[in-house]
Amino acid sequence: GESVGLHLPTLSVQEGDNSIINCAYSNSASDYFIWYKQESGKGPQFIIDIRSNMDKRQGQRVTVLLNKTVKHLSLQIAATQPGDSAVYFCAETFGNEKLTFGTGTRLTIIP
Amino acid sequence: KAGVTQTPRYLIKTRGQQVTLSCSPISGHRSVSWYQQTPGQGLQFLFEYFSETQRNKGNFPGRFSGRQFSNSRSEMNVSTLELGDSALYLCASSLYKGPTEAFFGQGTRLTVV
Repeated sequence: GESVGLHLPTLSVQEGDNSIINCAYSNSASDYFIWYKQESGKGPQFIIDIRSNMDKRQGQRVTVLLNKTVKHLSLQIAATQPGDSAVYFCAETFGNEKLTFGTGTRLTIIP
Repeated sequence: KAGVTQTPRYLIKTRGQQVTLSCSPISGHRSVSWYQQTPGQGLQFLFEYFSETQRNKGNFPGRFSGRQFSNSRSEMNVSTLELGDSALYLCASSLYKGPTEAFFGQGTRLTVV
């Protein structure tokens, strides 16, 4: 079946630097994508979403980029803070159906 | 506004028993989806309910069932528990059908012994 995967399982970034978390998706028909942040012992927290008719969307300190040509999604976090340490998941859906999640990337912020 | 509330937070059950988990969505949200999270399989979709009707179901055995009430609160039930059912069960709510802007609760940690 279709799956969403991540290039790197772990990422360490110096505090204050920008971080980029990548995600590859295999269903070219996917039309909606969400990035979630999950801290230890908590449920996934909605960060930002993007529809397939867009290639970029910005939020507070976060930017999501969508490249449909290569089926690639990325999450950029500006000026990382210790509180950004968490596991980040991308999720995709087609036709407003279920979310299919990637395996997750653990982001560690180095003080 | 209150977020998605799941109860209980932690549960320990014996193999063969059954369990019921509860989810109260964000006020006004009508769609509730359930996911299972395990270290080995990651986050996997169980089912979605909208207006008291199941509109989508994942690839889980019939031991996993759910329902939604008229106030949009949802319950999921797992019968004849197996050790492999140990997981974090997450509920997400959305305003409309499907996962658009789906917000998750803290989850219920189920341990089967």
